[in-house]
Amino acid sequence: DSGVTQTPKHLITATGQRVTLRCSPRSGDLSVYWYQQSLDQGLQFLIQYYNGEERAKGNILERFSAQQFPDLHSELNLSSLELGDSALYFCASSVEGASNQPQHFGDGTRLSIL
Amino acid sequence: AQKVTQAQTEISVVEKEDVTLDCVYETRDTTYYLFWYKQPPSGELVFLIRRNSFDEQNEISGRYSWNFQKSTSSFNFTITASQVVDSAVYFCALSEGTSGSRLTFGEGTQLTVNP
Repeated sequence: DSGVTQTPKHLITATGQRVTLRCSPRSGDLSVYWYQQSLDQGLQFLIQYYNGEERAKGNILERFSAQQFPDLHSELNLSSLELGDSALYFCASSVEGASNQPQHFGDGTRLSIL
Repeated sequence: AQKVTQAQTEISVVEKEDVTLDCVYETRDTTYYLFWYKQPPSGELVFLIRRNSFDEQNEISGRYSWNFQKSTSSFNFTITASQVVDSAVYFCALSEGTSGSRLTFGEGTQLTVNP
């Protein structure tokens, strides 16, 4: 158990809809990351937060947004969903968000768009 | 730009065989960090090891060992006396010192250990 909690584990929805994925980092970790794992793109970095502030952005679509709250949990919002958004979405956390610190991953949320 | 290549898409071995998973990386930074993660069939990503660019010592942890060679930009992972429970997808990843802590992952190697 990595200590990172993601909910829900599975999400099935339709095109055009909006969903919110939730992540609680490990106790003591200040930085949260979101990654997308799909068959065609592999594991891709989406966005990073550190202590409530956005720190880095990767290949995140404009239809996607995220935030980190004062209690350090994070939410990833996906809107106007398309079939291609079907993927496994991982949240990870690290102590201070430095590049030398291991990121510990949650179990992921599997999103299926019908 | 940083890049990680795992040329072996799938490897199949019989239990107790030794197996090496290859990882080649590209980076312009002199300070960088390399990681290996395991993704078992249940789907979670499990951190295995971190190596920084200044430490070329090989590392051994039980049946696992890692060989880091800057001269060939490789960070290979060997499992000795493989077991069925080692069956998983293994990912090599890179983070650079100057471009933040995002991880760039390789494509992954699916390892199947048959009894």
